[in-house]
Amino acid sequence: QSVLTQPPSVSGAPGQRVIISCTGSSSNIGADYNVHWYKQLPGTAPKLLIYDSIIRPSGVSDRFSGSKSGTSASLAITGLQAEDEADYYCQSYDTRLSGSIFGGGTKLTVL
Amino acid sequence: QLQLQESGPGLVKPSETLSLTCTVSGGSISIRNYYWGWIRQPPGKGLEWIANIYYIGNTYYNPFLKSRVTISVDTSKNQFSLRLSSVTAADTAVYFCARTGQGLSTQYDYWGQGTLLTVSS
Repeated sequence: QSVLTQPPSVSGAPGQRVIISCTGSSSNIGADYNVHWYKQLPGTAPKLLIYDSIIRPSGVSDRFSGSKSGTSASLAITGLQAEDEADYYCQSYDTRLSGSIFGGGTKLTVL
Repeated sequence: QLQLQESGPGLVKPSETLSLTCTVSGGSISIRNYYWGWIRQPPGKGLEWIANIYYIGNTYYNPFLKSRVTISVDTSKNQFSLRLSSVTAADTAVYFCARTGQGLSTQYDYWGQGTLLTVSS
């Protein structure tokens, strides 16, 4: 079981907005550590989508946005497209584990 | 464009030691302020951080794997490597190498394509 909890799956119709949550605790997100988000297509490496909770790397669509509050973080995807169908992972740092941690991943299905 | 490429045996027997190498091209591994790491993903499961290393040898290890893991760097070859001892079926996974910043709270911005390692007799 992951220290960072993500919903196993979310879905939405094309054009809609979906939010993927990443819930942690006082030893990671709640300790003000940044959260990063990755998109992973089947059989490929994860791709950095959001870093430092809110920043999009160059080349990432502005349809993707991140936020953080308290012990949780969220990834929002607007204007859902078929190409957004993938697995999404959050990542942070945990002081109790003294290590980098990932969420369990969320499978996004575009209906 | 920075590229990372993993290489490894593909198949390892239980109780043996696996060795993986990541070759960095398009940039130097000896760059300040960046670490290099290994992350794995068992089939159908999520990502697990294994270890990070700096070009001068500073290391960080996942405490759950630390007793079995050694990460090393060879700046002359622009490579870094992972050794995992006493492997079991639970170590079967796709192993990714990636670049990250200083500390363990930073993001992984460049990734290799991954190499599947199967532990089986």
